[in-house]
Amino acid sequence: QSVLTQPPSVSGAPGQRVTISCTGTSSNIGAGYDVQWYQQLPGTAPKILIYGNDIRPSGVPDRFSGSKSGTSASLAITGLQAEDEADYYCQSYDSRMRGPYVFGSGTKVTVL
Amino acid sequence: QLVESGGGLVKVGGSLRLSCVDSGLTFSNYNMNWIRQAPGQGLEWVSSISSSGSYIHYADSVKGRFTISRDNAKNSLDLQMNNLRVEDTAVYYCARLYSSGPYDWFDPWGQGTLVTVSS
Repeated sequence: QSVLTQPPSVSGAPGQRVTISCTGTSSNIGAGYDVQWYQQLPGTAPKILIYGNDIRPSGVPDRFSGSKSGTSASLAITGLQAEDEADYYCQSYDSRMRGPYVFGSGTKVTVL
Repeated sequence: QLVESGGGLVKVGGSLRLSCVDSGLTFSNYNMNWIRQAPGQGLEWVSSISSSGSYIHYADSVKGRFTISRDNAKNSLDLQMNNLRVEDTAVYYCARLYSSGPYDWFDPWGQGTLVTVSS
């Protein structure tokens, strides 16, 4: 059972906007810890997409954006493209866990 | 670039040692981690070790059974896994904890090595 909760799946047509939520608690996101987002293309290792809640590393297209509010965070993909079909994971820190790093349950994005 | 090795098929109660080699020049500067992904499941952080090896953390699910270590002279990271259980079956990734200012994140990740524990 993941500490951070994400919807199992979201879908959208090419060009549309989709959002993925990441819901935590007062011991992780709500405590002010940063949220990161990773993209995992089929059969590959995860890759960083967003760090520090809303910062894109160089090379990540600007159609990906992140936000955080209260005990939740969101990843938005605008202008959805076929190559965005992947699994997406949020990640943060948790002050109540013996090991500090926690991941979301993951969301499968399907491009219709 | 991070390259893992050592995965394979092992019976319940058995042991396995995973290795990860960093081909870069700055291995000794970074906290390193093992993160696993059970078949068809999400990501689970397993263990971390600080750059000097002085600080080590484990997930509750592996504490007392797994041991993380590193050799900065060889740019290598190991995970000794003992008393393996069926639920330890997963692809194991090594990942660097990259830091920039107040932020840190896992980057890069290795390609992963599959560990299968059979009953």
